[in-house]
Amino acid sequence: DQQVKQNSPSLSVQEGRISILNCDYTNSMFDYFLWYKKYPAEGPTFLISISSIKDKNEDGRFTVFLNKSAKHLSLHIVPSQPGDSAVYFCAVAYSGAGSYQLTFGKGTKLSVIP
Amino acid sequence: SAVISQKPSRDICQRGTSLTIQCQVDSQVTMMFWYRQQPGQSLTLIATANQGSEATYESGFVIDKFPISRPNLTFSTLTVSNMSPEDSSIYLCSAQRDRNTEAFFGQGTRLTVV
Repeated sequence: DQQVKQNSPSLSVQEGRISILNCDYTNSMFDYFLWYKKYPAEGPTFLISISSIKDKNEDGRFTVFLNKSAKHLSLHIVPSQPGDSAVYFCAVAYSGAGSYQLTFGKGTKLSVIP
Repeated sequence: SAVISQKPSRDICQRGTSLTIQCQVDSQVTMMFWYRQQPGQSLTLIATANQGSEATYESGFVIDKFPISRPNLTFSTLTVSNMSPEDSSIYLCSAQRDRNTEAFFGQGTRLTVV
């Protein structure tokens, strides 16, 4: 049973427009949320994170929104650039005692069209 | 951040043989992990590499198949033993400094078993 779901395997967006990537999780115990970007033949690269005490975190063109009641987070990229074309993974974590590990979604492949 | 060097970056191996993947971090880290990413799938945690003691394996992964070493705070190895074509995957090393912090990844090892 998937604990983290990214229901859109792919997304195409015109350059300059907003890209919105979505992620749903099942366990309300998760309290730390991250987004990673992955190019082919490279490891995932950390993008942005948010803890459960916040509902928004912004870093340049990237903003992550967290809706705890809906167990939903989203990543907004604006404006989208061709270099943003990659696979984006959502990851969640639980800060309970002894727990470090991240649980990943299956990823969404973003294509930004020039 | 941490820089993680993983090698080999790719290999083609005969079934029944074993491959050892090395992971070197440029600074001391608390936690190191090994993940597998099968085609079209998410990153699945294989095990947590514990410094100076046996690794902690996730459900579905066993030490005999995936022996792991972590002799110090900056280095770990993962061996894929007695390989079969089903082991063809990308294997990723990851490191984290602390709980509720981002994980950093190596570039991955693309393994093909023929």
